[in-house]
Amino acid sequence: LAKTTQPISMDSYEGQEVNITCSHNNIATNDYITWYQQFPSQGPRFIIQGYKTKVTNEVASLFIPADRKSSTLSLPRVSLSDTAVYYCLVGDVTNYGGSQGNLIFGKGTKLSVKP
Amino acid sequence: EAGVTQSPTHLIKTRGQQVTLRCSPISGHTSVYWYQQALGLGLQFLLWYDEGEERNRGNFPPRFSGRQFPNYSSELNVNALELEDSALYLCASSLAESQPQHFGDGTRLSIL
Repeated sequence: LAKTTQPISMDSYEGQEVNITCSHNNIATNDYITWYQQFPSQGPRFIIQGYKTKVTNEVASLFIPADRKSSTLSLPRVSLSDTAVYYCLVGDVTNYGGSQGNLIFGKGTKLSVKP
Repeated sequence: EAGVTQSPTHLIKTRGQQVTLRCSPISGHTSVYWYQQALGLGLQFLLWYDEGEERNRGNFPPRFSGRQFPNYSSELNVNALELEDSALYLCASSLAESQPQHFGDGTRLSIL
């Protein structure tokens, strides 16, 4: 399970594109990169998962450079309802060793979308 | 398709008591995960079950335990409750290990 680093917070305005970057220098060869969204008092919601290059679905795109040491979640034309915490997860608990603590999902990025 | 369901949604206990939280995974999912999220903090990994077996656990004391039943539902048990156990307890399931996890909305546990 690779340690991840994300910005603590980001601000944006409605209609803008938002890019959230996650650094994961120690990513392992077989690690996938997964992004989740969490609203207050709710469980995280799966957004997108990728291994390399670019992945796109109906809500987001995920860009992964060739060295895979970082990834960028792109949210097109955000709205007020996209205000949430976004978590980057690299690998999963199947290879969790415990030495990195229990924060599997890291501390996340709090995105605030303003009108 | 029904999502991950957890019960109860809220619970109030006092120090020293014991509590059992329940989770029903999405139909067809065999892996179940438990997380603790204290107020304002990130998700801390507790336990992972697959096919009825405990596969991995986070750095939590032994008074946190659980099990997975043949129908893949799961229970989280916490004994000798302490004030710092107050948190949102989240359960997630996945189709198989390394697949994306799908979360329930948790059980809010308050310790008085």
